[in-house]
Amino acid sequence: GDSVTQMEGPVTLSEEAFLTINCTYTATGYPSLFWYVQYPGEGLQLLLKATKADDKGSNKGFEATYRKETTSFHLEKGSVQVSDSAVYFCALTYNQGGKLIFGQGTELSVKP
Amino acid sequence: GAGVSQTPSNKVTEKGKYVELRCDPISGHTALYWYRQSLGQGPEFLIYFQGTGAADDSGLPNDRFFAVRPEGSVSTLKIQRTERGDSAVYLCASSQGRTGETQYFGPGTRLLVL
Repeated sequence: GDSVTQMEGPVTLSEEAFLTINCTYTATGYPSLFWYVQYPGEGLQLLLKATKADDKGSNKGFEATYRKETTSFHLEKGSVQVSDSAVYFCALTYNQGGKLIFGQGTELSVKP
Repeated sequence: GAGVSQTPSNKVTEKGKYVELRCDPISGHTALYWYRQSLGQGPEFLIYFQGTGAADDSGLPNDRFFAVRPEGSVSTLKIQRTERGDSAVYLCASSQGRTGETQYFGPGTRLLVL
């Protein structure tokens, strides 16, 4: 079945470091891809999304490109801040299905 | 406007009891979703409503779980004969209903079954 796999955490970085969180997916069709973020004590929030191959989603300095050939949607940020400390979830959905299929989440901790 | 709200925020119950969890979606959103998130895991889909009807209930783990949305707005997730393994955070999300549209999540209800 369809699934999403993320790199294991926790990931610990120093402030201003470069961030990559890997996400790969298995899908029978052509899903839309999402990154959601869960800050400490808060609910899930959409960070960015891409709806078709080669699309790049971006928000708050984060970027991810929908790579159909490698079935990947890696999250990147050039310079992380302490305030980026959170759990990041990669997810997919089909245009006709509605439900989101999530990865297991990657915890990011940024130290000053 | 207001986001998705869920009540209660925390619920402690005893094994075998019945619980109801409520979700108020964003006004005007026709699609509503329930997910369950266990500690250290990503959310797992339970059920999806389009309007009043359940469009996909394939994620409900067994017949102890049931959800309703009688007027196409508020939804209630009902769990009968709770088990310790039901302990998790139950998340509700809503969207405008167009396929592939962004889902907006509530803060969740943390259920603990003793």
